[in-house]
Amino acid sequence: GENVEQHPSTLSVQEGDSAVIKCTYSDSASNYFPWYKQELGKRPQLIIDIRSNVGEKKDQRIAVTLNKTAKHFSLHITETQPEDSAVYFCAASKNGNQFYFGTGTSLTVIP
Amino acid sequence: DADVTQTPRNRITKTGKRIMLECSQTKGHDRMYWYRQDPGLGLRLIYYSFDVKDINKGEISDGYSVSRQAQAKFSLSLESAIPNQTALYFCATSDFRRSTDTQYFGPGTRLTVL
Repeated sequence: GENVEQHPSTLSVQEGDSAVIKCTYSDSASNYFPWYKQELGKRPQLIIDIRSNVGEKKDQRIAVTLNKTAKHFSLHITETQPEDSAVYFCAASKNGNQFYFGTGTSLTVIP
Repeated sequence: DADVTQTPRNRITKTGKRIMLECSQTKGHDRMYWYRQDPGLGLRLIYYSFDVKDINKGEISDGYSVSRQAQAKFSLSLESAIPNQTALYFCATSDFRRSTDTQYFGPGTRLTVL
């Protein structure tokens, strides 16, 4: 099956700086890559996703890049704010079937 | 997202007891999933269902069973609970018919097995 690795496991940044979280996947057939944000005690919520026919996608301060050749994808958050503090999960899926999640990155934005 | 609900929200039980966790959705989605979340391990798929007559094992199905009673309901059972099944359990839905793979999660059920 698919194996998704996520780094780093913890990340602290100063408010206003950028944060980058990286994931690698093993199955070249995976074609859908969502990112979820989970605040303490809450459910995971989708913040951005990308499909394998696209190399980059942006939504305001959040962007995701995908390198199919290297089988890795990254989440970029610019101009970080304290409310960005949460755990972020990447995932990989083939056609929306089984989803395989990374182990999460705990992001702390220091005011 | 109030369209995906889970009951109970918290449950404490003893080793060997049978437990059922329930998930309901009003989103009209065809696909439903059960995950467990453990600290440091992320979310791992237990079972998933693409419609009422379709049930599939995920990564960690041993010790669990499921029932898709209707399109809107998907239950997870622990036939004989053991302490290492203590975890946070999430149900999720997605709508394959609209060609979107976005998953919507329920609020979670915190299960403690003593």
